[in-house]
Amino acid sequence: NAGVTQTPKFQVLKTGQSMTLQCAQDMNHEYMSWYRQDPGMGLRLIHYSVGAGITDQGEVPNGYNVSRSTTEDFPLRLLSAAPSQTSVYFCASSLTSGVDTQYFGPGTRLTVL
Amino acid sequence: AQTVTQSQPEMSVQEAETVTLSCTYDTSENNYYLFWYKQPPSRQMILVIRQEAYKQQNATENRFSVNFQKAAKSFSLKISDSQLGDTAMYFCAFTSADSNYQLIWGAGTKLIIKP
Repeated sequence: NAGVTQTPKFQVLKTGQSMTLQCAQDMNHEYMSWYRQDPGMGLRLIHYSVGAGITDQGEVPNGYNVSRSTTEDFPLRLLSAAPSQTSVYFCASSLTSGVDTQYFGPGTRLTVL
Repeated sequence: AQTVTQSQPEMSVQEAETVTLSCTYDTSENNYYLFWYKQPPSRQMILVIRQEAYKQQNATENRFSVNFQKAAKSFSLKISDSQLGDTAMYFCAFTSADSNYQLIWGAGTKLIIKP
C-alpha cells in the first residue's frame, strides 16, 4: 500500500494563479480531509469528505474548492492564489471520521508570490 | 467553542531522560477522543497515542503514555527513555460529536532530544 500520496511536494505560484493539489489514498477510507499548517497555529481544517460525492467546509474554507468523485481521490483547488495561502498543505484519510487514526500524506509546501 | 491548548512551545531534554508534554482542552461534552500526533523533521505526521474519554485507564504505547485527567481536562504525554528519534513537533488533538467529529488541534510543542 502506498498510503496517502500528495502531489506536488513543492509549488510556487504568482498571485491570481490557480492550481490543484492532488491527494489519493489506497486504503479504502471513507473520510478524507485537507489541512493547512502555519507556524505557531497547528493544523486548520480546510475541507473534508465523509464519502464519495459528499464534501463539507472546515474552519478555513475560503479560497479553496474540493470535490470527491471517487473514494480514492480528494483534490484541493486554489481558485485565485493569494499570499495569505502560503502554507504547508496536508491531506489525511481515515476509516470514518476524526475519531479514527488519521493517515497523512507527506505535505505540499506552497509559496504564493 | 472547543479549544486545545499546548502551553509549551518548545522543550529540550537529554537523551534517556523522561519528558512530559502538556495539553489542556475545553469542552462541555462527556464523551470524546484525544490524540497525540508526532511530526518529525520529515514532516510525516503519525499517530502516537489515542485515548477515549469514557475509558478511565490511561493509554500506553511502548515508551509513550498519557496522564488523562478528565475532571481537569488535561491530557499530558509522557515519553520515557527519550531517544534522538523522538525529536519532533508533537500535536495534541480532540474530537467529539460537538465538533462533528472533526479534529481540533493544539498549536504544537517542539521537542528536541539532545545527545
